[in-house]
Amino acid sequence: DQQVKQNSPSLSVQEGRISILNCDYTNSMFDYFLWYKKYPAEGPTFLISISSIKDKNEDGRFTVFLNKSAKHLSLHIVPSQPGDSAVYFCAASAGAQKLVFGQGTRLTINP
Amino acid sequence: NAGVMQNPRHLVRRRGQEARLRCSPMKGHSHVYWYRQLPEEGLKFMVYLQKENIIDESGMPKERFSAEFPKEGPSILRIQQVVRGDSAAYFCASSLNTGISNTGELFFGEGSRLTVL
Repeated sequence: DQQVKQNSPSLSVQEGRISILNCDYTNSMFDYFLWYKKYPAEGPTFLISISSIKDKNEDGRFTVFLNKSAKHLSLHIVPSQPGDSAVYFCAASAGAQKLVFGQGTRLTINP
Repeated sequence: NAGVMQNPRHLVRRRGQEARLRCSPMKGHSHVYWYRQLPEEGLKFMVYLQKENIIDESGMPKERFSAEFPKEGPSILRIQQVVRGDSAAYFCASSLNTGISNTGELFFGEGSRLTVL
C-alpha cells in the first residue's frame, strides 16, 4: 500500500530552468509534508516542508505547493543548478509519529 | 560532529549470521527512527523508539528483526539469521523530544549498508 507516490523515477532539466517534482498521496489524514534530498552514499537531508493548513511555502530557490483537494504536492526549483542533481524524496506524516516516503525522483541538471 | 552517527557504515554477513547496526542520535534528541532502503526503492519505515520504549514497530518484519534504544548508549537494530533479502541500506534518524510535529523534520545518519552473501 503505497500511500505516497512519486510517479516519475527520473527527471532531466537544463541548468537555469525550472525543475518541477511531483508527489501524490492517498491518506487524507496526512497533515505535514516534507521534501528530502539525497546524494549517493549519504543520508537524506531535509529541504523544505509544508503544513496542511497552507498551500505554498517558499525558501530561496525552493517552493513547495500543496493541493489538498487533489492530494498532490510539488517541489519547484528555480533556477536549477548542477548541485541540485540528487534523488528527491517526498514524505508525509499523520499525527506526527513517523514519516512515510515516496519512492524518490532522480533529478539530473544538465549544463 | 553533532549529527546522527551510524556504524558500521558497511557490514558484510553470510546467510544465517547476525547483524547489529548502531545509531547515536543528535545531541538532545530522544526520538529515533529506523528506515530501510532496498535497491532502487524508497525509504520504508521500520520502527520508532524513544528512550527505553518502542512507540511504533509497524514496519518491522515479524521475525528476526528487533530494535532497542536503551537509557544509556546508542539505538541498536538487530537482524538475526540474515538472508540475502536483508541486503539494504539501513538509515537511522532522530528528532527533537517533541517529535515530528514540532520540527517537521528528521535528521538522518549516513546509513549502514548491509550486504548478505
